[in-house]
Amino acid sequence: GQQVMQIPQYQHVQEGEDFTTYCNSSTTLSNIQWYKQRPGGHPVFLIQLVKSGEVKKQKRLTFQFGEAKKNSSLHITATQTTDVGTYFCAGKFGNEKLTFGTGTRLTIIP
Amino acid sequence: GAVVSQHPSRVICKSGTSVKIECRSLDFQATTMFWYRQFPKKSLMLMATSNEGSKATYEQGVEKDKFLINHASLTLSTLTVTSAHPEDSSFYICSAGSVSYEQYFGPGTRLTVT
Repeated sequence: GQQVMQIPQYQHVQEGEDFTTYCNSSTTLSNIQWYKQRPGGHPVFLIQLVKSGEVKKQKRLTFQFGEAKKNSSLHITATQTTDVGTYFCAGKFGNEKLTFGTGTRLTIIP
Repeated sequence: GAVVSQHPSRVICKSGTSVKIECRSLDFQATTMFWYRQFPKKSLMLMATSNEGSKATYEQGVEKDKFLINHASLTLSTLTVTSAHPEDSSFYICSAGSVSYEQYFGPGTRLTVT
């Protein structure tokens, strides 16, 4: 079946440093969504990207969708302790269901 | 955003018994709900798509007779784990919403089978 890979699996950063997670698919995606799951919590929707090359920002978070619509990234500037959690991308292939990436777990060193 | 509830939040059952998990959309009508399973520190694996008024669509490798799904109304879907075994212990999460846009996740149910 279709797979969505995410790297890195884990990331430990000092508070104030930047963080980036990458999402890759071998086939073209119709859209990609990003979710954040806090420790012990459930996934919460962050954003959806649909257009080739699309870039969206939410305060310190910047989301990009690749030109070929096969990859995406989430970049957090100047991380804070509240950014702790696991970030999942979820890709949609055509009219198929969402396929979740493997996730990147972010921990912050105060 | 929309609110999705799940009940129970935690359940411990003995091997061989069945457990029912409820997923409710509290402030919108959900013709489609999704059931996921998440192992510790792992990603979400879609188990099945629950369709109101019709049979659920199961993902490859998910036993429909083991994981019974009923979507009797626009606000309620249930997942019943039948004849549970320790390997069924996991975090089960439901979601509701359009696949074309955001999904709203329930808080999850942690099942432990002893």
